[in-house]
Amino acid sequence: DTAVSQTPKYLVTQMGNDKSIKCEQNLGHDTMYWYKQDSKKFLKIMFSYNNKELIINETVPNRFSPKSPDKAHLNLHINSLELGDSAVYFCASSLLRAQPQHFGDGTRLSIL
Amino acid sequence: QKEVEQNSGPLSVPEGAIASLNCTYSDRGSQSFFWYRQYSGKSPELIMFIYSNGDKEDGRFTAQLNKASQYVSLLIRDSQPSDSATYLCAVNGGSNYKLTFGKGTLLTVNP
Repeated sequence: DTAVSQTPKYLVTQMGNDKSIKCEQNLGHDTMYWYKQDSKKFLKIMFSYNNKELIINETVPNRFSPKSPDKAHLNLHINSLELGDSAVYFCASSLLRAQPQHFGDGTRLSIL
Repeated sequence: QKEVEQNSGPLSVPEGAIASLNCTYSDRGSQSFFWYRQYSGKSPELIMFIYSNGDKEDGRFTAQLNKASQYVSLLIRDSQPSDSATYLCAVNGGSNYKLTFGKGTLLTVNP
């Protein structure tokens, strides 16, 4: 199936731990994104890569580090997890920057 | 700060009626406009996109854009209970093409 796929779907971990979320798209898109959706359901851009180059880097704690090994993959590593990091993280991709974005199923991160 | 404003609702309509969802945006340089539907616990799903002033129709959905008024709307005709969801307006503009989302409008279609 052609899609944006994220792993894991659920992540439950202790405060202070380090975790990674992986994203892959097989749509042939050039641009990939990470969004955070908080408990109030507000969806906010965190990072965007265009063909492996970082093009959007919002005001996000530097504990969050994206990595794009190739244009089909965009991973998110989070160091020293805090309670406020609990949210749903969505990966998305688009053919070009201004084109419609297609979202993965999300990763629900819960910090204990 | 570029903003996208939506009425949070809930907007409640009877089955078969027209649901009208509205959105305003602050950045006059915005160039592309999107409507996403998000069911509870699911990911946003693209419903419509529009780039030019006027109306764009796709099945039961019509997107309307008025750049002079900085206003974009979504009409859902013959609303069905399965249309009950949160509708997110998103606006793309500026030099980095950042997509800014509104906080969403919760639509409930009553059988």
